[in-house]
Amino acid sequence: GAGVSQSPRYKVAKRGQDVALRCDPISGHVSLFWYQQALGQGPEFLTYFQNEAQLDKSGLPSDRFFAERPEGSVSTLKIQRTQQEDSAVYLCASSLQGAGNQPQHFGDGTRLSIL
Amino acid sequence: GDSVTQMEGPVTLSEEAFLTINCTYTATGYPSLFWYVQYPGEGLQLLLKATKADDKGSNKGFEATYRKETTSFHLEKGSVQVSDSAVYFCALRRVAGTASKLTFGTGTRLQVTL
Repeated sequence: GAGVSQSPRYKVAKRGQDVALRCDPISGHVSLFWYQQALGQGPEFLTYFQNEAQLDKSGLPSDRFFAERPEGSVSTLKIQRTQQEDSAVYLCASSLQGAGNQPQHFGDGTRLSIL
Repeated sequence: GDSVTQMEGPVTLSEEAFLTINCTYTATGYPSLFWYVQYPGEGLQLLLKATKADDKGSNKGFEATYRKETTSFHLEKGSVQVSDSAVYFCALRRVAGTASKLTFGTGTRLQVTL
């Protein structure tokens, strides 16, 4: 398909385990964003890449959260030593450019449940 | 910092009723404004957008006008359908520089009944 693809769709982990969430952006999209959406809330910004450069990581809630996009395409969000408060839907979005009025296209998200 | 405030839901309407979902924002500069919709079990989809004052975004019968003087971007539809049942998110985005993240409201759930 031509949309943003995220995997896995659902992830269950025990507290303390490490998890890795994958995002395949739309081909040719320069910018990639990660958001965290808690139950009943709007998405909240985590981090932003332009190509392989991580330009903004101000939304990462702790140093347990780490994101990378080594070749400027696929991105991975890693959460180390997971806690129950990490349970949320993690959304990835991509756009042609970072700034301006280019719309962000969202994937269906990964629903993470920490037991 | 930037923020978006939406009316709390759920909003329950009968089919063919008029819909208004209020949205106001706080931001420095002149952001772009968006409405996203999230249908049950699906991801966020862009519904409409407006990039400058007095612009009107429209799509699928929904409309919203960028009102700089009242810092608002209220979503309206003249006649809702059951298929419009979803969660609606108002969002803003800075235009310039690298501050290009979306800032979302908390969402408003719309339930349309026959």
